[in-house]
Amino acid sequence: DAGVIQSPRHEVTEMGQEVTLRCKPISGHNSLFWYRQTMMRGLELLIYFNNNVPIDDSGMPEDRFSAKMPNASFSTLKIQPSEPRDSAVYFCASSDLHIDTQYFGPGTRLTVL
Amino acid sequence: QQPVQSPQAVILREGEDAVINCSSSKALYSVHWYRQKHGEAPVFLMILLKGGEQMRHEKISASFNEKKQQSSLYLTASQLSYSGTYFCGTEIIPGTYKYIFGTGTRLKVLA
Repeated sequence: DAGVIQSPRHEVTEMGQEVTLRCKPISGHNSLFWYRQTMMRGLELLIYFNNNVPIDDSGMPEDRFSAKMPNASFSTLKIQPSEPRDSAVYFCASSDLHIDTQYFGPGTRLTVL
Repeated sequence: QQPVQSPQAVILREGEDAVINCSSSKALYSVHWYRQKHGEAPVFLMILLKGGEQMRHEKISASFNEKKQQSSLYLTASQLSYSGTYFCGTEIIPGTYKYIFGTGTRLKVLA
């Protein structure tokens, strides 16, 4: 299996622009998680889905952040408009509900200027 | 709410042992341990469940003390490949799969 796939790997954008991060979970996994990692706050859970349904989005920092999972093999995290404080590494992870281990993607390093 | 890990950082010589602690202010139902190398994604090491026994991954083992709301990771005879940042992830509401990650412990193993 190719593992969790994220794109792009690096994104540099200017403040105010829309940013879309993409994730393809491991085939057969039915849970998907979006995390943000910064030096100051560590690894934070933003939102997670079970069977494509958002279960808990309490970690989403503001209305500028939104996430969708239109099908079992694809999810997006959108930031609109982006701000410099959104700069971080964003990880997507997937797991099988019954096994519980989370497999992380390589991450997207976002820089907002 | 974020679990606190100690120590924050540790430097070892190859072959030495280390213990990393993860303490929560809330009751724990399960604990995950992950290792992250610089510039890479976190990689799962092991999971400990409430009432479960101590787990092992190669020469790394972990325990779960429900009363103390704490988990400990034991690295025995450390190898250079053990270097990285270790995170615990705690599930505070059972069955939610919502894990809160700890503050992290940076481990450096020297030859």
